[in-house]
Amino acid sequence: AQTVTQSQPEMSVQEAETVTLSCTYDTSESDYYLFWYKQPPSRQMILVIRQEAYKQQNATENRFSVNFQKAAKSFSLKISDSQLGDAAMYFCAYRDSGGGADGLTFGKGTHLIIQP
Amino acid sequence: NAGVMQNPRHLVRRRGQEARLRCSPMKGHSHVYWYRQLPEEGLKFMVYLQKENIIDESGMPKERFSAEFPKEGPSILRIQQVVRGDSAAYFCASSGLRTAMNTEAFFGQGTRLTVV
Repeated sequence: AQTVTQSQPEMSVQEAETVTLSCTYDTSESDYYLFWYKQPPSRQMILVIRQEAYKQQNATENRFSVNFQKAAKSFSLKISDSQLGDAAMYFCAYRDSGGGADGLTFGKGTHLIIQP
Repeated sequence: NAGVMQNPRHLVRRRGQEARLRCSPMKGHSHVYWYRQLPEEGLKFMVYLQKENIIDESGMPKERFSAEFPKEGPSILRIQQVVRGDSAAYFCASSGLRTAMNTEAFFGQGTRLTVV
């Protein structure tokens, strides 16, 4: 079974600074998808960024980028120029590309605090 | 185009009662997923349904829990004879036809079930 591990229960960063959230995963599959979701206090799960395992290029969405290391099974999220609205729980998630489990497997989350 | 709609947002049940959680997927989506989030935890996959079919229920508890997605109407997650351990946030997500380019599931805002 696939597992996703987020080793940082909580991270704190000064506004406008850069922060990196860690995620590692375990799978025997070669093709899969990885995601970062943001969950603010409203509880809404918001997709931040996604990465296809077959793509070597790291995904980027504005201030959010990932460092995808397939051999190391690592998928970290970098948030540049942190803003107060970035404060939330961040969840790393994994899904098989097909033929495997259809649901997402989530890590336990990292609580990101933005210091003004 | 309305997003994934879940109701109710909050549900309080006494031990032994039944809980019914509803999920209307995004327009045009025929795939529905249910997840459970315990306090301080990530989301855990429960079940994946398409219209009138349960595709993967590997995350569903064997007793008291059931799910359906009828031809007409919302998907229902039903918990019979609730116990305090069922208290959690239950999330629904929907997606369209699964293709290599279509990997994203959109989440509802969840139903917080409290068993007293």
